[in-house]
Amino acid sequence: NAGVTQTPKFRVLKTGQSMTLLCAQDMNHEYMYWYRQDPGMGLRLIHYSVGEGTTAKGEVPDGYNVSRLKKQNFLLGLESAAPSQTSVYFCASVRDGSYEQYFGPGTRLTVT
Amino acid sequence: AQSVSQHNHHVILSEAASLELGCNYSYGGTVNLFWYVQYPGQHLQLLLKYFSGDPLVKGIKGFEAEFIKSKFSFNLRKPSVQWSDTAEYFCAVKDNYGQNFVFGPGTRLSVLP
Repeated sequence: NAGVTQTPKFRVLKTGQSMTLLCAQDMNHEYMYWYRQDPGMGLRLIHYSVGEGTTAKGEVPDGYNVSRLKKQNFLLGLESAAPSQTSVYFCASVRDGSYEQYFGPGTRLTVT
Repeated sequence: AQSVSQHNHHVILSEAASLELGCNYSYGGTVNLFWYVQYPGQHLQLLLKYFSGDPLVKGIKGFEAEFIKSKFSFNLRKPSVQWSDTAEYFCAVKDNYGQNFVFGPGTRLSVLP
């Protein structure tokens, strides 16, 4: 039981490049979340999903897109990376009704 | 919209000192409250949570938190900290109207041996 995994762990992009971050969970959780963590700002919600095929915007969705084609996977895409998207990205999943979030190890993204 | 504030940005304590970290939220309805901890280089882990019932909740590693509804607060406490408690602590709130969780900015705790 791996819990929540994230791929890749580190990435450096040039401005304008695109990439996809993958989050996978093997706990059959319904809800999944993408956050970014910046110093002094805590975690801010980018997008979330309440089930396969559904997505919703969080607090800071601009510049990001997401997809949840399979229940176990939640993808976060950056179509045209900007330096302001330099951050640590965390994925989390929640079992329906428990509200306890299980976090992945994070992806450190640097955009130059 | 819901917001969460944490009173201290950085707290420095000596081992065996008592700890209290403040957390206040803005929404006055029914909420679920959480404290998460992030040890250096690791991902966030749940310390404790409050849904309903006894406002004093106990979590892992000797931590506890008290929910005071009238003050919109959910402060984290530990009677005697250890060097291994050095970490960043995040308060989070979820209200009953959606699936969003709102996190506070975090408090960095440094425990000196």
